[in-house]
Amino acid sequence: DAGVIQSPRHEVTEMGQEVTLRCKPISGHNSLFWYRQTMMRGLELLIYFNNNVPIDDSGMPEDRFSAKMPNASFSTLKIQPSEPRDSAVYFCASSTNRAGSPLHFGNGTRLTVT
Amino acid sequence: QKEVEQNSGPLSVPEGAIASLNCTYSDRGSQSFFWYRQYSGKSPELIMFIYSNGDKEDGRFTAQLNKASQYVSLLIRDSQPSDSATYLCAVRANAGKSTFGDGTTLTVKP
Repeated sequence: DAGVIQSPRHEVTEMGQEVTLRCKPISGHNSLFWYRQTMMRGLELLIYFNNNVPIDDSGMPEDRFSAKMPNASFSTLKIQPSEPRDSAVYFCASSTNRAGSPLHFGNGTRLTVT
Repeated sequence: QKEVEQNSGPLSVPEGAIASLNCTYSDRGSQSFFWYRQYSGKSPELIMFIYSNGDKEDGRFTAQLNKASQYVSLLIRDSQPSDSATYLCAVRANAGKSTFGDGTTLTVKP
């Protein structure tokens, strides 16, 4: 079990650029979550997928953010155009569909937008 | 009102003492309750989960759940400096989203 794999680990970009974060969930996990963590706002759920289908995207801050899950082993979170206030650590997590299953987190991507 | 609220920190205890972390939640449909530990610069890792009212013990950790009061707690006995971290309470309804509290930062002083 390789765990949830996220890339890149660090991303530094200039305001206005497109940023794409990637995630590979644990094999066999049906649910995938994207969270953003900042000191001010804590750990916020952006969007989650169940069986590759987006279920709740109410946490996506605005239209600049989009997420896809084209298959069970890959998801992307895209920010276009990026802004300095998007600077945060972005975590991907996965779990099974069984009630009460815990989330398994990736190592996160630290995004800095200058 | 936040969906999940944790007692504001930071919390500081001496080595060997009991650390008590508290959490309340607003959604009565929540069915699963989790405690995660997050070291600085790292990702959250699961340390305890509880589904039924009462206590659940795992080594030095005890989770307590009271659904009537919508209250979850975590006790850490014989606290060690290595327990110094931020502790996140999370609740989950069925197989849906997990909502996290803001976390309580614990420092265990040698």
